[in-house]
Amino acid sequence: GAVVSQHPSRVICKSGTSVKIECRSLDFQATTMFWYRQFPKQSLMLMATSNEGSKATYEQGVEKDKFLINHASLTLSTLTVTSAHPEDSSFYICSTEPREDYGYTFGSGTRLTVV
Amino acid sequence: DAKTTQPPSMDCAEGRAANLPCNHSTISGNEYVYWYRQIHSQGPQYIIHGLKNNETNEMASLIITEDRKSSTLILPHATLRDTAVYYCIVKASGTYKYIFGTGTRLKVLA
Repeated sequence: GAVVSQHPSRVICKSGTSVKIECRSLDFQATTMFWYRQFPKQSLMLMATSNEGSKATYEQGVEKDKFLINHASLTLSTLTVTSAHPEDSSFYICSTEPREDYGYTFGSGTRLTVV
Repeated sequence: DAKTTQPPSMDCAEGRAANLPCNHSTISGNEYVYWYRQIHSQGPQYIIHGLKNNETNEMASLIITEDRKSSTLILPHATLRDTAVYYCIVKASGTYKYIFGTGTRLKVLA
């Protein structure tokens, strides 16, 4: 199946700083990638759709100026949490666009803790 | 958009079959049913998917009712490592977006 590498796996940052999370598609070119957020004991919630070479599409209620998404190449999408606050602490997960044989491939996730 | 409903939790004895149900009564004719699982603090892992025929792979079997309004994921011989949250997902109409439900938290008991 497809391989998606997500880094870092865990990050702790101070309130007010920015954090960048990378999602790499290692074995195929992904024109579309997805970013999710998951709070403890809750399901994944789609935040935005990342499109290579164009602006990301954000879900309702997600602040685009706070969660900056860049998809500059067919193998890399980044999510930057700007001016992070404790309420942004969460588990962030990326995924590729679907493949015919096995649907979506998800990254391993990034645990963000804002202190 | 199609939505799914699953029981919030289930227990299964180790070595026995785990049968996880999912209702998707509003599914469209060309939408697939996908199953994923998420082990604590990891990204979801693909298990299996199907359209209308039953499917089997090395991980599980998927049984889809004839009217496609529900399906069952079967783990034939559950192990402790199968303890996870299992998500049944139907792709949103006309888009690539996944809508995750609450999933079923399966606990395999020794």
